[in-house]
Amino acid sequence: DSGVTQTPKHLITATGQRVTLRCSPRSGDLSVYWYQQSLDQGLQFLIQYYNGEERAKGNILERFSAQQFPDLHSELNLSSLELGDSALYFCASSTRGAYYGYTFGSGTRLTVV
Amino acid sequence: AQKVTQAQTEISVVEKEDVTLDCVYETRDTTYYLFWYKQPPSGELVFLIRRNSFDEQNEISGRYSWNFQKSTSSFNFTITASQVVDSAVYFCAPPPGNSNSGYALNFGKGTSLLVTP
Repeated sequence: DSGVTQTPKHLITATGQRVTLRCSPRSGDLSVYWYQQSLDQGLQFLIQYYNGEERAKGNILERFSAQQFPDLHSELNLSSLELGDSALYFCASSTRGAYYGYTFGSGTRLTVV
Repeated sequence: AQKVTQAQTEISVVEKEDVTLDCVYETRDTTYYLFWYKQPPSGELVFLIRRNSFDEQNEISGRYSWNFQKSTSSFNFTITASQVVDSAVYFCAPPPGNSNSGYALNFGKGTSLLVTP
């Protein structure tokens, strides 16, 4: 157990729907990073939050949004889902920043049908 | 642009063979560090090592070792006496901080290692 908890582990939904992925970082970690991993795009950085504030954005679509709550858990919201959004979504957390590496959660596998 | 290159897309070895995964980092920085992560078939991403370029000694952890070669800007990862459980995709990642990702790590496609019995 890495200490980073992601729920749900699997999610199947239809096109056009909206889903929320949840991440609880390791105890004490203030930074949360979201990644998308698909076969064609590889592991893509989406967005980072630090202590409740957005810190950096990567290749995140406008249909996607995220937030980090006061208890430091984070949610990634995916809306108007398309078939191409099917992927593994990872959350990672860090104590001292990305320069010292992350701890990843086990991921949420999203299947859009 | 600074980036890492893992030229080996897929490697297949027989158990007990040694295998080296290559990672080349193009940079003008004189000192830097790189990361290695492992993603086994179960899917989770596991942090293996963060290594500084100025560390001249090889890093060894059990059957794993990492070697910086400044002359070729490479940070190679060697698995000695490979085992089936070593089958995974291995990612080498450059330091964070480029203009696209802020302070996040960027990962390439990785090298897929298959160890067969």
